[in-house]
Amino acid sequence: QVQLQESGPGLVKPSETLSLTCTVSSGFISTSYWSWIRQPPGKGLEWIGYMSYSGITNYNPSLKSRVTISVDTSKNQFSLKLSSVTAADTAVYYCARGASSWFSWGQGTLVTVSS
Amino acid sequence: EIVLTQSPGTLSLSPGERATLSCRASQSVSGSHLAWYQQKPGQAPRLLISGASSRATGIPDRFSGRGSGTDFTLTISRLEPEDFAVYYCQQYGSSPYTFGQGTKLEIK
Repeated sequence: QVQLQESGPGLVKPSETLSLTCTVSSGFISTSYWSWIRQPPGKGLEWIGYMSYSGITNYNPSLKSRVTISVDTSKNQFSLKLSSVTAADTAVYYCARGASSWFSWGQGTLVTVSS
Repeated sequence: EIVLTQSPGTLSLSPGERATLSCRASQSVSGSHLAWYQQKPGQAPRLLISGASSRATGIPDRFSGRGSGTDFTLTISRLEPEDFAVYYCQQYGSSPYTFGQGTKLEIK
């Protein structure tokens, strides 16, 4: 059973870049697609995008100009970068295994955008 | 972008009762690529159903999904205390993948 764990700063200043990493249990990173999904406090879920171990990407058009997802197979990690953040980007960010529906999730990490 | 509308917003039922949750899409969901998730406070969503009707591994058979095109339903045949949570539908037939706004299932 794959395990995922998000890590990164819990506080980001407006206009800066949000950076998160998801560490995947050993042996799985090169076998799948990897996604990011977020949830503003008290609100619903929003798909951010995915990347495969081979480099195929697909981003939500609403975020595409600001998002980069990358995979580092040597570290069993994949990452999310979201640039030019505003308060509207405050959310719990989840990493998950899969491209389009997700059985395995991290526990989520709250990122607050505030000065 | 496909907009998913879930109803009702809140459903108040008692343990042992049957719950029926609806998810309607603004356009046809390709290949019945629709999933249902359960989310409890402070937890990540849990996949219940994919492909509109296939239960995920470990999901009890009291959960069932059906539907195609634009209308989908999640049914919980006999509610257990642990079933009270928020439920989301999600379509993955076309990008961007989108979620409904959720149905809160609360204890009456």
